[in-house]
Amino acid sequence: QSVLTQPPSVSGAPGQRVTISCTGSSSNIGAGYKIHWYQHLVGKAPKLIISGNNNRPSGVPDRFSGSQSGASASLAITGLQAEDEADYYCQSYDSSLSGVVFGGGTKLTVL
Amino acid sequence: QVQLQESGPGLVKPSQTLSLTCTVSGDSMTSNIYYWSWVRQPAGKGLEYLGRISNSGNTNYNPSLNSRVTISVDTSKKQFSLKLSSVTAADTAVYYCATLRLGQLSFGSWGQGTPVTVSS
Repeated sequence: QSVLTQPPSVSGAPGQRVTISCTGSSSNIGAGYKIHWYQHLVGKAPKLIISGNNNRPSGVPDRFSGSQSGASASLAITGLQAEDEADYYCQSYDSSLSGVVFGGGTKLTVL
Repeated sequence: QVQLQESGPGLVKPSQTLSLTCTVSGDSMTSNIYYWSWVRQPAGKGLEYLGRISNSGNTNYNPSLNSRVTISVDTSKKQFSLKLSSVTAADTAVYYCATLRLGQLSFGSWGQGTPVTVSS
C-alpha cells in the first residue's frame, strides 16, 4: 500500500488528453511538500518529467504539465503520442515517515 | 549532467548481504547540491525508495526495511554504496542509484539500474 495513491492504469487514443491523479494526505502533498513526476519506460531508468509541482526539466515537451490542489496532484499529457506509453510515478516527501515516498505507479496505454 | 553507474553481484544467496556500488561522474560529490540515493523496483511492482546519504555522511533510510539497509559514501573515490542484509527473495529487484536534489527532493539523474536476484 503506497502512501501516494495512483490509478493502476489509464489509456487514451493518439492526440487525446489524459490525466493521472496522485492522492496523498496532510503529511505529504497536503503539507505543502513538492510533488514530482517520473516517466519509466521498460528497460530504462526513470526520467524526471515534472519537478516542484509544475516545472519541466530541459528537454521535456510542454505536452506534459502538473498541478496540485490540497492533498492531491495530477499529471496531464496532451496530444498523446505512441512514445508516451510508459509507467508514470508521482513522488513527494512524507513528514510522518521522514522520507521520500512514491506513488504505486500508473501504466499509460496509448490505444 | 551527473552520470551514475551501478556495479555489484547479480546473484545473492538468501540470508546474505547484498552489496552494490554507484560510481559518479560529472560531479565532485562535494558541492552540497545532491543527496546520493538508492531506489529499487521489484519485478511487476513500483519504485521503492531505499535511502540516501549526504556528502558528509548524514543518512536517511526507508523505515520499512527494518534497519537492514546501510548506505555509505567515499567522495575521494566518487562512489557511494548500498548494503542490504539478511536478504530474501522479496529483495529481488532492479536497483538504481540516483541523485536526490537537496531542498526540492526530486531524483534528477539515475543510473541504468542493475538487476539483483536472491536465490540459492
